[in-house]
Amino acid sequence: EAQVTQNPRYLITVTGKKLTVTCSQNMNHEYMSWYRQDPGLGLRQIYYSMNVEVTDKGDVPEGYKVSRKEKRNFPLILESPSPNQTSLYFCASSLSWQGALYEQYFGPGTRLTVT
Amino acid sequence: QQQVKQSPQSLIVQKGGISIINCAYENTAFDYFPWYQQFPGKGPALLIAIRPDVSEKKEGRFTISFNKSAKQFSLHIMDSQPGDSATYFCAASKGLVSGAGSYQLTFGKGTKLSVIP
Repeated sequence: EAQVTQNPRYLITVTGKKLTVTCSQNMNHEYMSWYRQDPGLGLRQIYYSMNVEVTDKGDVPEGYKVSRKEKRNFPLILESPSPNQTSLYFCASSLSWQGALYEQYFGPGTRLTVT
Repeated sequence: QQQVKQSPQSLIVQKGGISIINCAYENTAFDYFPWYQQFPGKGPALLIAIRPDVSEKKEGRFTISFNKSAKQFSLHIMDSQPGDSATYFCAASKGLVSGAGSYQLTFGKGTKLSVIP
């Protein structure tokens, strides 16, 4: 089944404890992206990747890191999480490197709480 | 600066009625306008998209209307059903016409639609 998977789905952590949210797609997509969704703010892009080893900042990159060492994986790293990073996170992928012009396939989301 | 403004924030429609969600954009470089549908507990999924060379696109009960001069586009859901209850996001990106490439999709804040029986 073609899909985008994220792990974990739910995570409660404390301020300052490094964490990684994994994202994997099995569709051989070139483009991958991370979004956060907050009530009243919609979806905001954190980082995106056009291909292996090619990443760039989105609209809200502060406090996050990403890497794209393999085509299928695009982990999101929070090196020192803070309470303002409490949010619902979505990973997405798209067939073309021009990911914003083609259908994006979203994962099921990761709900992160930082206390 | 909010580049895509979406309204209303929430919408309640009776079964069989027409649901209308509006979006306005500021950046005249935007040239691709998709709508995403999100059910509770799920990730968004592409519903329908429009390019600026057409004024309307219809897929089943869902229609996008596009007004380039007013920089507005809207989603119409005809014969709304309880199963349409979801959050709808409009979005915009640029680079389709120029071929320059586009990596960022700018979303509106979303409209929560509730269709009551």
